[in-house]
Amino acid sequence: TQLLEQSPQFLSIQEGENLTVYCNSSSVFSSLQWYRQEPGEGPVLLVTVVTGGEVKKLKRLTFQFGDARKDSSLHITAAQPGDTGLYLCAGLYSGNTPLVFGKGTRLSVIA
Amino acid sequence: NAGVTQTPKFQVLKTGQSMTLQCAQDMNHNSMYWYRQDPGMGLRLIYYSASEGTTDKGEVPNGYNVSRLNKREFSLRLESAAPSQTSVYFCASREPGSREKLFFGSGTQLSVL
Repeated sequence: TQLLEQSPQFLSIQEGENLTVYCNSSSVFSSLQWYRQEPGEGPVLLVTVVTGGEVKKLKRLTFQFGDARKDSSLHITAAQPGDTGLYLCAGLYSGNTPLVFGKGTRLSVIA
Repeated sequence: NAGVTQTPKFQVLKTGQSMTLQCAQDMNHNSMYWYRQDPGMGLRLIYYSASEGTTDKGEVPNGYNVSRLNKREFSLRLESAAPSQTSVYFCASREPGSREKLFFGSGTQLSVL
């Protein structure tokens, strides 16, 4: 089983703080995705990164793919209560294999 | 824009009972997936169907069966439910031409007593 390690598992911060969530594997990804899930709903795709070293921005969210394509990070600037949710990374390895999901980071932003 | 529709939203079963979780998508996607989500475990793939008429096992297929009834519908059946199958179940479909972009339903919360 190919593993995707996410850290931290839980994160509780005050509104306005910055945070970073990490996703790591010992294997190389062909691409990696970040999803956000709210209570009672399914995950929703935020971004897909494909190229080593790639950086994508989505408003206050910055996603980075490691140069070796084994890791990724999600950085949130000036977090807001609306950012609260479960953040999941999902990796696609080589070949025709389905996505593999990490265990997620549960973020709580307190006003 | 219904997307991926799952029924039921909630279900309580007794050990040994059977039931089928229904999933339908209206986006003309070829690939469909069933995941289960447990606290601290993330999403684990149960079964998937790359196209109509084909199904494959995922990471945790034991105790489940699936049917790809047509291009729109992909059902998950529990023949004899066990407490270990208490979980939230998600169906998803994949956008054609993209190996990555999944669209998820809103989930079925299943409790087996």
